[in-house]
This record gives sequence, C-alpha cells and structure tokens, in this order.
Amino acid sequence: GAGVSQSPSNKVTEKGKDVELRCDPISGHTALYWYRQSLGQGLEFLIYFQGNSAPDKSGLPSDRFSAERTGGSVSTLTIQRTQQEDSAVYLCASSTEQGGTDTQYFGPGTRLTVL
Amino acid sequence: DAKTTQPPSMDCAEGRAANLPCNHSTISGNEYVYWYRQIHSQGPQYIIHGLKNNETNEMASLIITEDRKSSTLILPHATLRDTAVYYCIVRVRAGNQFYFGTGTSLTVIP
Repeated sequence: GAGVSQSPSNKVTEKGKDVELRCDPISGHTALYWYRQSLGQGLEFLIYFQGNSAPDKSGLPSDRFSAERTGGSVSTLTIQRTQQEDSAVYLCASSTEQGGTDTQYFGPGTRLTVL
Repeated sequence: DAKTTQPPSMDCAEGRAANLPCNHSTISGNEYVYWYRQIHSQGPQYIIHGLKNNETNEMASLIITEDRKSSTLILPHATLRDTAVYYCIVRVRAGNQFYFGTGTSLTVIP
C-alpha cells in the first residue's frame, strides 16, 4: 500500500516568512511523528500525535513551531517567522500503535531552505 | 541523549558480511533495540528490532548480547545499495520518541 507522503518535497523561503509542511501518514496508522534533520546530523524529535490524546510537543524548539493533526490523519507542521537556522529536512513518520514494539515508517521528507 | 554509541564510519567489501556494532549499556529491561538506515536524501528505513533474542529477517540479522548492553547488525552479503547511515536506537518509552544519534556511515566498496 501507499507509504507516508510529504509535501512539498522542497521549499525555499525568505527569512521571516511562514511555512506549512504537510504529512499524509499511512492509512490506519494512529501515531504520527515529526522530526527534523540538519545537514550531516541525526534526527531531532519535534512532536508526536497519538489518536485523540494531547500531542507530545516536548521537542519543539521554540514557539514559532506548531503542528496539528486533523481528523486523526493528515498533519501540518507550521513554522512562523522562519529563521536561517530552521533550514533542514523535516521528516514525518507514522506507526500503528502506542508503546510496545511499534515500528515507525518514514516519509521522504521536506527540504526547507531559509534564505 | 541517544543512549547508544556507534562507530562513525565503516567500510565493507561487496559480497562480504557487514557487522555493525552498537553499545547501549544503559538500556532498560523493557526497551527494544531498533535499527534503521538512511540512504542519502531519503527518509530512514526500518531494518529490524529485538528485545532479548537474536532476530533475522529478509534484510538482516540482529545479535543482542546476553546482558543486552550491546548488539550487532549483520548484513550477510553487502551490496553497493547497502551504502547508508545505519542508526541503532533504543526505544524510550515516554513520549514514544526515537532518539537516532549520529549513526554509522557504512560504505560498501566494489
């Protein structure tokens, strides 16, 4: 079946602009995660959604970052007043269950460049 | 805090077994060891995971020491397409976060 999809694949924006990144998880997956990966670095956790529970926002680096998940499916990560240090690949992943041995399946990512 | 330690890079000859080590000395009793890999410019790809017993699937084998403080991912017959960064992850229960660390960059040499 279809995997996790993300759009756009690339986004170039000017400093100070707002951007929205979209993630379509695998159908039926209740958990959704956002990560970001700076050049040459490992993945940095941002936020986690599980069903109707309150999201775990502990990884969001500042209040300029927010995310929502509508209808338990599609998620949007919004970055307000973008800064050059926000440039990174933003990855979304989904999984079927909370806890235990759930496996996360990743999308191809959105490469964000802030000029 | 990635909770895992991996060598930054390794080489392997094509067709030979690639053995990628990982130390996770502070692993808790109910934490699983996961392995993912990331080929350049792609999202991470799940490989295998385990708790105590050794595991094998179509991609790889996972050997976990009896004390669970380290593990080894084995790619039995490495190909050029296995060139990637390999991440060993101990799954932290709270928040369901996966801490990826910096991984091992494996280069398969023709």
